[in-house]
Amino acid sequence: NAGVTQTPKFQVLKTGQSMTLQCAQDMNHEYMSWYRQDPGMGLRLIHYSVGAGITDQGEVPNGYNVSRSTTEDFPLRLLSAAPSQTSVYFCASRGGGDSTYEQYFGPGTRLTVT
Amino acid sequence: GNSVTQMEGPVTLSEEAFLTINCTYTATGYPSLFWYVQYPGEGLQLLLKATKADDKGSNKGFEATYRKETTSFHLEKGSVQVSDSAVYFCALSESWNKLSFGAGTTVTVRA
Repeated sequence: NAGVTQTPKFQVLKTGQSMTLQCAQDMNHEYMSWYRQDPGMGLRLIHYSVGAGITDQGEVPNGYNVSRSTTEDFPLRLLSAAPSQTSVYFCASRGGGDSTYEQYFGPGTRLTVT
Repeated sequence: GNSVTQMEGPVTLSEEAFLTINCTYTATGYPSLFWYVQYPGEGLQLLLKATKADDKGSNKGFEATYRKETTSFHLEKGSVQVSDSAVYFCALSESWNKLSFGAGTTVTVRA
């Protein structure tokens, strides 16, 4: 199993550009999430999904869109990038049968918006 | 709401020193508690977990005990190595859809 994969690893955008961060998992996990990591703030939840076709907002959803057309994929879209979105983005997944709520993380995408 | 407070770093130690990273939490119910580790340039990996009071999680020489009376989950290792240099995050989860993270503690171990 590859686990959770993310592409790209690094990205530089200009203010106003749009892009999609890709996330895929091969563990047949129902639940997937996107987090952003900023210095001194830990990780904050952006959006999450409980299964194909179902998504919801997390703690910091503004400026981001998600969709979940398959169990495996959960892309994160930046509609019009802003410097405040410079961050490291992590995708995570967990199985529905795990009552301990353990999540598995991808390697991250480091995004810089100039 | 739920929150996690962990000791601020950075922490710099010599090899074979004892490491403690304090973590306390606020939660309305009975959360599961986690320590995640992030090595340089990598994503987060689960280091250990505990799901109920008095449980002790352990892995790679690290230990943490779920203390409900003090709402704490302090991470300890008796003898650190250079390879333990990383950022350590304490986290809790009371529901399937959200982990609440501490700010992270950067640990550097010098040979």
